[in-house]
Amino acid sequence: AQSVTQLGSHVSVSEGALVLLRCNYSSSVPPYLFWYVQYPNQGLQLLLKYTSAATLVKGINGFEAEFKKSETSFHLTKPSAHMSDAAEYLCAVASSGGYQKVTFGIGTKLQVIP
Amino acid sequence: EAGVTQFPSHSVIEKGQTVTLRCDPISGHDNLYWYRRVMGKEIKFLLHFVKESKQDESGMPNNRFLAERTGGTYSTLKVQPAELEDSGVYFCASSRGLAGGSRSGANVLTFGAGSRLTVL
Repeated sequence: AQSVTQLGSHVSVSEGALVLLRCNYSSSVPPYLFWYVQYPNQGLQLLLKYTSAATLVKGINGFEAEFKKSETSFHLTKPSAHMSDAAEYLCAVASSGGYQKVTFGIGTKLQVIP
Repeated sequence: EAGVTQFPSHSVIEKGQTVTLRCDPISGHDNLYWYRRVMGKEIKFLLHFVKESKQDESGMPNNRFLAERTGGTYSTLKVQPAELEDSGVYFCASSRGLAGGSRSGANVLTFGAGSRLTVL
């Protein structure tokens, strides 16, 4: 069984401030971990993924996430928020079962304040 | 390459009516998935096709939902008869490779924009 917990359904940051979106996972097998972003009226876009290589994963648009097995966490960060980062961010986990039956968190809506 | 395309983008129907959602995956993607997001809830897995075969349909809510993937290309998801609780956004996703892909990411999902279903 696998699950994802995202702390904070809404997060507000000032433009230029650090973005930190929290994600904790539960998985009985080594996980694949993902962050997706959804802009209004668009599909889910993959930001980054962890597949057991480097624990610090860099994604698109300046985002990165660090896999911490001891904390079962995969928090998403970006040093400086832009207005264009306002969107919903979804953390997800998949098992190593050979195909990606993905379990999503509830999502965090990021608001960027000018 | 073209992305995953879903039709319609929004459908409003009365309770008891039938709706069919369509998904065109990325060309050459053997794996096709349906997910659903009910308002305020997580995105939930519905089912997974490998080519034209149902690999896993454990997430299908009940027998009012029927998914098909004729010829292993596009897929349809029919809801008949629709109930109020079926309202939500239905996402389709596809990925390359067969089940058993490596951890290199060959099976990373590409999602469509979703079909929003409103049942009145």
